[in-house]
Amino acid sequence: GNSVTQMEGPVTLSEEAFLTINCTYTATGYPSLFWYVQYPGEGLQLLLKATKADDKGSNKGFEATYRKETTSFHLEKGSVQVSDSAVYFCALKRGSDNYGQNFVFGPGTRLSVLP
Amino acid sequence: NAGVTQTPKFRVLKTGQSMTLLCAQDMNHEYMYWYRQDPGMGLRLIHYSVGEGTTAKGEVPDGYNVSRLKKQNFLLGLESAAPSQTSVYFCASAGDRGRSQPQHFGDGTRLSIL
Repeated sequence: GNSVTQMEGPVTLSEEAFLTINCTYTATGYPSLFWYVQYPGEGLQLLLKATKADDKGSNKGFEATYRKETTSFHLEKGSVQVSDSAVYFCALKRGSDNYGQNFVFGPGTRLSVLP
Repeated sequence: NAGVTQTPKFRVLKTGQSMTLLCAQDMNHEYMYWYRQDPGMGLRLIHYSVGEGTTAKGEVPDGYNVSRLKKQNFLLGLESAAPSQTSVYFCASAGDRGRSQPQHFGDGTRLSIL
């Protein structure tokens, strides 16, 4: 089946530290990959995406590269800020006939950044 | 830039009461979804719709009903609320089934069943 696995949190970092949140996936075909961010009390917001192998998605200093050979889409940021504290979700979307259930989300990783 | 709007934002119900959660999107999206989010459980798909007049069951449909009478609206109903339905409910929409199209989420409805 199709699934997304993320590193378990919570992840606690000091401001300006380097961030990596691991994400690996299992899917048939060639899915697109997404990172969403959820700030406290809000819905999920699209952070970045990549639609094919070796694509790099980037936004707000965050980056992730679609690695087909390792089935991974790790999220990175060089210097985190307190305002980056949130829950991060990795997700995939397959293009298939089962289009109602072709989004698969990971369990989420909570990030806390301390000043 | 309204995007996806959910009403109400908060609600407290007593066991056995009924209510309807409303989701409205202004992006002319075909696909709409209802999820619930519980601690340690991630997002679970309740029901979804692939166009006006259509609905389908997701992963956890029991105890819920939905309707999509207008393209821009997707309603989630609880006929007889139970404490196990205490959760945060999110609506999402997507433009088409193309694999590059992301879902767009509302801010959620926080529902407590006493």
